[in-house]
Amino acid sequence: QMQLQESGPGLVKPTQSLFLTCSVTGFSITSGYYWIWIRQSHGKHLEWMGYMTYSGETFYNPSLKSPISITRETSKNQFFLQLNSVTTEDTAMYYCAGDFSAWGQGVMVTVSS
Amino acid sequence: DVVMTQTPPSLSVAIGQSVSISCKSSQSLVASDKNTYLNWLLQSPGRSPKRLIYQVSKLDSGVPDRFSGSGSEKDFTLKISRVEAEDLGVYYCLQGTHLPLTFGSGTKLEIK
Repeated sequence: QMQLQESGPGLVKPTQSLFLTCSVTGFSITSGYYWIWIRQSHGKHLEWMGYMTYSGETFYNPSLKSPISITRETSKNQFFLQLNSVTTEDTAMYYCAGDFSAWGQGVMVTVSS
Repeated sequence: DVVMTQTPPSLSVAIGQSVSISCKSSQSLVASDKNTYLNWLLQSPGRSPKRLIYQVSKLDSGVPDRFSGSGSEKDFTLKISRVEAEDLGVYYCLQGTHLPLTFGSGTKLEIK
């Protein structure tokens, strides 16, 4: 059974970069599926941030104000989210998912000085 | 961007009753491969979202058949027959046809 687990800092200062890790077990990220980052602000609004395909192609949401990058480390079966020049508007719960069929439990990130 | 409009924003229903949630998209969700990538998710209190239905009407593994999805093009419906206490939470529709992928604003289901 595929499982995902997010990890990363809970607090980031404005203008810094945010780096989150999604560790996947039960399925190889190079075998199939889209590997997705989603965030939820104020406990309500869900926002698709971007995804990486199993072949390594990336697609990002152009509406995001902070520059974003999704990368992976296949040897560890992990994929990553980097969000640069964060602002307080990037405060949210961040989720990783595999094809939307399996989600991690989420990691809360607060942007504050 | 495709706008997903969900109604109603909230529902209160007694155990055993049936409910329907509507999701309308601003563009047709029929993809170039002829599939329609419309999903329904449930976020139970304090939990991460869980997908219930994909491609309009296909149930994810383990999802009770009390849940059903229907619709086409721009107009979709999630129906829950015989609501149970565990069904409470916020239901979201999600379109996967057009980039950027977009979610509906959610329908909060409460149990009377």
